[in-house]
Amino acid sequence: DAGVIQSPRHEVTEMGQEVTLRCKPISGHNSLFWYRQTMMRGLELLIYFNNNVPIDDSGMPEDRFSAKMPNASFSTLKIQPSEPRDSAVYFCASSLGSAQEFGYTFGSGTRLTVV
Amino acid sequence: QQQVKQSPQSLIVQKGGISIINCAYENTAFDYFPWYQQFPGKGPALLIAIRPDVSEKKEGRFTISFNKSAKQFSLHIMDSQPGDSATYFCAPRFRNAGNMLTFGGGTRLMVKP
Repeated sequence: DAGVIQSPRHEVTEMGQEVTLRCKPISGHNSLFWYRQTMMRGLELLIYFNNNVPIDDSGMPEDRFSAKMPNASFSTLKIQPSEPRDSAVYFCASSLGSAQEFGYTFGSGTRLTVV
Repeated sequence: QQQVKQSPQSLIVQKGGISIINCAYENTAFDYFPWYQQFPGKGPALLIAIRPDVSEKKEGRFTISFNKSAKQFSLHIMDSQPGDSATYFCAPRFRNAGNMLTFGGGTRLMVKP
């Protein structure tokens, strides 16, 4: 298995532009999580899905952020319009809730810079 | 909300020494206690985990000690190596809450050769 795949790895955009981050979870995993990591705030959970359904989006900073999971193999996190304070590393993680040894598998992240 | 407090924030250890990272939690609904390891440019990866019915778990040089009454668990790295230099997160799981993990603030470990 190739693991959790995120794209792009790096994104530099201008303030006000729309940004779309993509994630392909591990096949067979039924939960998907989007995190944001910054030096100041550490790892923050933005939203998570279970069986493609959003369960908790209380971590989404504001209406500029939206996430979708149209099927079990794909999810997107969109920021529109982007702002410099959105600059961070965004991680996607997936898990299989019923696994004996439960754990999240993280992707390598997307480093977003908004100038 | 500070449900998980991790300490220290950073740690410098000489090669061959013991690294100890602590995690204190408040919520008694946590039912699974993992540690994650993150190298620069990578996502966190599950390192070792313990269930609350066990007080200690050892995997190679890594040991988790769990104190249920004190609501604390710690990671011990024996014979620390420069390759262990990374950021470590405790991330206890809520019971029956969609397998949510609550990540601590992280500890940046540097092992000097």
